[in-house]
Amino acid sequence: RKEVEQDPGPFNVPEGATVAFNCTYSNSASQSFFWYRQDCRKEPKLLMSVYSSGNEDGRFTAQLNRASQYISLLIRDSKLSDSATYLCVVNSDNFNKFYFGSGTKLNVKP
Amino acid sequence: DGGITQSPKYLFRKEGQNVTLSCEQNLNHDAMYWYRQDPGQGLRLIYYSQIVNDFQKGDIAEGYSVSREKKESFPLTVTSAQKNPTAFYLCATREGRQFNQPQHFGDGTRLSIL
Repeated sequence: RKEVEQDPGPFNVPEGATVAFNCTYSNSASQSFFWYRQDCRKEPKLLMSVYSSGNEDGRFTAQLNRASQYISLLIRDSKLSDSATYLCVVNSDNFNKFYFGSGTKLNVKP
Repeated sequence: DGGITQSPKYLFRKEGQNVTLSCEQNLNHDAMYWYRQDPGQGLRLIYYSQIVNDFQKGDIAEGYSVSREKKESFPLTVTSAQKNPTAFYLCATREGRQFNQPQHFGDGTRLSIL
């Protein structure tokens, strides 16, 4: 079983839509969770950390469900510029070691 | 990310040749990482270092070697033993003292076989 699993998509949505991605993880001891955004042929860039109580940054909301071992990312009022691949990242038993999901591709259409 | 410099941007390797990818940081971060990304796939960990003069193998270390002689530098050597080296190589750093400190990435090196 993979450490971190994501639906590869693509998710094709119109501008202004709300879209949500989930990411499941296998290690119940994981304590650090992040969402990154990766544009084609570029490096990943941090979108947001995911906190236990959930957190919001503008149009983006991240949630953590420890009982079911998944994290989610909600994007409201999608923009064309949100088109990218979204990677979820979870740490392992080792504090400094992380696993990346394969990414979920989002296409926002006019 | 500002503060993490990877070079070169593009690199070509001949059969039987070792090549070294450079990663330098001025963020004063303790932890440094090397990942490999193949087309359409996620990042896979090659090696990481939590402190100077120490490093650990990741999930795909075979055919690669690293050193961490200085805090600022974590070079990756792709040896001739790595039979399929064509990929996008990403270096990352992390302050490494607390949970929820994210990794920050350089802009990568694309390696191809000649």
